[in-house]
Amino acid sequence: GAGVSQSPSNKVTEKGKDVELRCDPISGHTALYWYRQSLGQGLEFLIYFQGNSAPDKSGLPSDRFSAERTGGSVSTLTIQRTQQEDSAVYLCASGPGGRHEQFFGPGTRLTVL
Amino acid sequence: RKEVEQDPGPFNVPEGATVAFNCTYSNSASQSFFWYRQDCRKEPKLLMSVYSSGNEDGRFTAQLNRASQYISLLIRDSKLSDSATYLCVAILSGTYKYIFGTGTRLKVLA
Repeated sequence: GAGVSQSPSNKVTEKGKDVELRCDPISGHTALYWYRQSLGQGLEFLIYFQGNSAPDKSGLPSDRFSAERTGGSVSTLTIQRTQQEDSAVYLCASGPGGRHEQFFGPGTRLTVL
Repeated sequence: RKEVEQDPGPFNVPEGATVAFNCTYSNSASQSFFWYRQDCRKEPKLLMSVYSSGNEDGRFTAQLNRASQYISLLIRDSKLSDSATYLCVAILSGTYKYIFGTGTRLKVLA
């Protein structure tokens, strides 16, 4: 079956512009996570959605970052007024919920010039 | 102190060698643990869950030591294809937040 997909795969933007990153989770997965991975670093938790519950936004680094999950499926991560330090790979993962395995998408590589 | 810490390596080992990685976690309330594998410029993929009693999957063995707050991964008979970064993950009790370590890089040499 189809795995987690993310788009775009690469995004180059200028400092100060807004960007939207999209994640399509595996069908039926109720849990959806966003992470950020900078070069040579581990995964930094950003936000977690579980079903219709309020998302856990505790990992968002600033108010320039926001995310939505519409209809319990597709999610969009928005970064406003991008900064050079936002350059990283943004990974989305979905899972069946609980403390089970997560399945990762291929990521979006964001470069802010 | 980071919540989950790993030796970044790299661990350079010859083919056929046995290699072990440890990962320490700071919060004693951590409840669930995993090992993920990440190849260069690829997404992480689950290698194995870590059970309290320890578990084995082929050449891979995972152990949990709650008293000392660490998990370990043992790889026997290393293959060239085992070269990757190995990420350990802990989940705090009462949460669904997966805390990843920064990873341990393994290079298996011919």
